[in-house]
Amino acid sequence: GAGVSQSPSNKVTEKGKDVELRCDPISGHTALYWYRQRLGQGLEFLIYFQGNSAPDKSGLPSDRFSAERTGESVSTLTIQRTQQEDSAVYLCASSWGQASSGNTIYFGEGSWLTVV
Amino acid sequence: DQQVKQNSPSLSVQEGRISILNCDYTNSMFDYFLWYKKYPAEGPTFLISISSIKDKNEDGRFTVFLNKSAKHLSLHIVPSQPGDSAVYFCAASGRSGGSNYKLTFGKGTLLTVNP
Repeated sequence: GAGVSQSPSNKVTEKGKDVELRCDPISGHTALYWYRQRLGQGLEFLIYFQGNSAPDKSGLPSDRFSAERTGESVSTLTIQRTQQEDSAVYLCASSWGQASSGNTIYFGEGSWLTVV
Repeated sequence: DQQVKQNSPSLSVQEGRISILNCDYTNSMFDYFLWYKKYPAEGPTFLISISSIKDKNEDGRFTVFLNKSAKHLSLHIVPSQPGDSAVYFCAASGRSGGSNYKLTFGKGTLLTVNP
């Protein structure tokens, strides 16, 4: 596609429910990232995929968070037993290669999650 | 420990004047720096970048300056336009130390350009 696409754009869920957030990266981009931004905070790194592998999951806040990527394309971020502190905008991004090689990282518009 | 710091949460300037957004970093392994702009309800969009081998990069109205010894970079916008009003994020990446694939972001500075 033309850009990084994320769905849903908005999600309101009850505390304790599970949610799935989907990301379709730019076609051909091998690197895929999940970030989140909580109110008044900067962008917080969650996880990085190179192809279908996730060499760095260190940013996932707890074991309630998981992510997978298939076909070197679509990625799903799953949050189990959601808590109010999970409320944030979850941003997916993709790039041709690694950030430090001068490859621009392109972001989607984000999935706004509200846990009530 | 915040490795990329944007100490000014907001900045207000008059249309036509220069906007200067500042960013400091602590990790000496960072060697690639970027600025992203974010409008409400949209994802961040790439604006300009600079490698550590340079001290200045210019693109139209936007110029980024890097002072490696001070671990400081700044984004200059001149002349500022009302459409530049947005949150500006500074980001950094490093070629070594195992973090060369991800960007570390500051908390952002809200720029308001008044007509």
